[in-house]
Amino acid sequence: EVHLVESGGGLVQPGGSLRLSCAASGFTFSSHWMSWVRQAPGKGLEWVGNIKEDGNEKYYVDSVRGRFTLSRDNAKNSVYLQMNSLRAEDTAVYYCATLRGFSAYDALDYWGQGTLVTVSS
Amino acid sequence: DIQMTQFPSTLSASVGDTVTITCRASQRISNYLAWYQQKPGKAPKLLIYKASNLESGVASRFSGSASGTEFTLIISSLQPDDFATYYCQQYNSYSWTFGQGTKVEIK
Repeated sequence: EVHLVESGGGLVQPGGSLRLSCAASGFTFSSHWMSWVRQAPGKGLEWVGNIKEDGNEKYYVDSVRGRFTLSRDNAKNSVYLQMNSLRAEDTAVYYCATLRGFSAYDALDYWGQGTLVTVSS
Repeated sequence: DIQMTQFPSTLSASVGDTVTITCRASQRISNYLAWYQQKPGKAPKLLIYKASNLESGVASRFSGSASGTEFTLIISSLQPDDFATYYCQQYNSYSWTFGQGTKVEIK
């Protein structure tokens, strides 16, 4: 059974940094692109970024490019989201998810439970 | 970026009704569209991928269709478990985008 467990969320001051982790199990992690999606309180879903199975290709939404960095460690079956220069508008629940196929363009079939990031002074 | 316009934003329906939710893309997306269901406090759940393909394990009362840049999710014979918020998402090109969501409420 596929499991994705996010961790690392919490309260951080504007301008601060946070590193989210997503631990995966139940599938061949090293064969799949991974994604992060966020949801501000009471709002809709926003795609944040995707990382290729080997970590050599990454895509980001414009609003986080240059501030957030995706990485992964296939030996640990984990994907990470390093968030720097955080702003109030980054406050959200952050979900990691798997792309269902082996392409950069596919739906998100498994999701973690999410971790809450709150940016506030 | 490709914009996804989803409507209605809210829909009131009764158990047994058939409901339709629509998403319109600002440009062609080659049917690279997914539909998700989300319940309060929970992660989204994939229902439909590639516009009309039912994800494994999803009830057959959910169906998707496409016509040009307009995409439709149909829920036939609405069940109590179906009251939730639904999102479309295009994955044709980066940056990926979601629709604004449709909340299906009990009438």
